[in-house]
Amino acid sequence: SQTIHQWPATLVQPVGSPLSLECTVEGTSNPNLYWYRQAAGRGLQLLFYSVGIGQISSEVPQNLSASRPQDRQFILSSKKLLLSDSGFYLCAWTRRWGRSTEAFFGQGTRLTVV
Amino acid sequence: QQQVKQSPQSLIVQKGGIPIINCAYENTAFDYFPWYQQFPGKGPALLIAIRPDVSEKKEGRFTISFNKSAKQFSLHIMDSQPGDSATYFCAARSSGSARQLTFGSGTQLTVLP
Repeated sequence: SQTIHQWPATLVQPVGSPLSLECTVEGTSNPNLYWYRQAAGRGLQLLFYSVGIGQISSEVPQNLSASRPQDRQFILSSKKLLLSDSGFYLCAWTRRWGRSTEAFFGQGTRLTVV
Repeated sequence: QQQVKQSPQSLIVQKGGIPIINCAYENTAFDYFPWYQQFPGKGPALLIAIRPDVSEKKEGRFTISFNKSAKQFSLHIMDSQPGDSATYFCAARSSGSARQLTFGSGTQLTVLP
């Protein structure tokens, strides 16, 4: 069976510090991978998606970047965090092909920038 | 630009009631419409989904109604239970290989015992 791991679960970082959130998927190959951010009481905003190693598409301009160094690994980074980067970050994956289109989400990372 | 509009923002019903959550979309290229359920501190999980060639889909107590001409779809929860209290998101998927989802803003449902 497929599983998605996301860590850490919670993170408190000072303004100006770097960030690295990691997401890995097990039990499948060639997944599409996504990073979403959920602000308090709001919906999920797509930040980045990737259809393959080294292929990153950004949906919104921001202080964050993403990388996919391996097929099942997706990393969200920042060189200098801003207060506005606080939120709940979710990694997700979908199968690249086939009729099944379900998106599977990780448990999320609660980031608080202080 | 918000491509999927969801209402209401919050909803309170008594146990056994039938909460209804509505969504409207603009992009006619969307080809898949899922609903996700999210409990506090957890990632969303797929609840039920529909494709635009179907007007209604039922899974247990959950029903999606889909109106392609109006570009609207809704979630009905029959015989709601306190355990259904959660945030519900509608979404729409773009056609194409990236398969990214555009989410509505969410509805916080509270079912009173």
